Amino acid sequence: KNQVEQSPQSLIILEGKNCTLQCNYTVSPFSNLRWYKQDTGRGPVSLTIMTFSENTKSNGRYTATLDADTKQSSLHITASQLSDSASYICVVSGQAGTALIFGKGTTLSVSS
Amino acid sequence: DAGVIQSPRHEVTEMGQEVTLRCKPISGHNSLFWYRQTMMRGLELLIYFNNNVPIDDSGMPEDRFSAKMPNASFSTLKIQPSEPRDSAVYFCASSLVAAASSYEQYFGPGTRLTVT
Repeated sequence: KNQVEQSPQSLIILEGKNCTLQCNYTVSPFSNLRWYKQDTGRGPVSLTIMTFSENTKSNGRYTATLDADTKQSSLHITASQLSDSASYICVVSGQAGTALIFGKGTTLSVSS
Repeated sequence: DAGVIQSPRHEVTEMGQEVTLRCKPISGHNSLFWYRQTMMRGLELLIYFNNNVPIDDSGMPEDRFSAKMPNASFSTLKIQPSEPRDSAVYFCASSLVAAASSYEQYFGPGTRLTVT
């Protein structure tokens, strides 16, 4: 069964610290993997999209990695800010179709 | 560009009533998606359209749900009759092409539906 599992479910860190969110998937065949940021009360906003041939992609303080062999991805946030408090959702797309498999997200709280 | 526009932002209705959610995609985008988000199940794709034609509605939970896209700038998601378990946030998203490629999907702000 195609699944996307994210960990941890929630995370609290101090402002300025780094953190890493994990995403494991069983989707096969695989087309691409996306990380979205969703602020409370708003729609998700794309941070990165990676195909199977890419193993790292950055967007400012956000760096996503992908290991297509082990079917794992991580999102690393550097020097966290209060505005990073949000839910981060991992989404995997299967090949030859628009089937998007969503993880349930990691809720990140950054405190001062 | 105003982005994806959804209305209403909030809807409270009684069980059994008809509910219609509306979406205006980003101009020039030819793919439109409807999603539902709940705490228990996260985000789920309900249906998507390419060039106004429904392509995959396998995520539509049951016959009470229907979606239309009469033209490139407007889509509706209708629930008739509504039930309390339909309470969720419904998102509309659009993209240049369907999500099989690496094209971005742009989400609207969502409609929070509460069925009492």
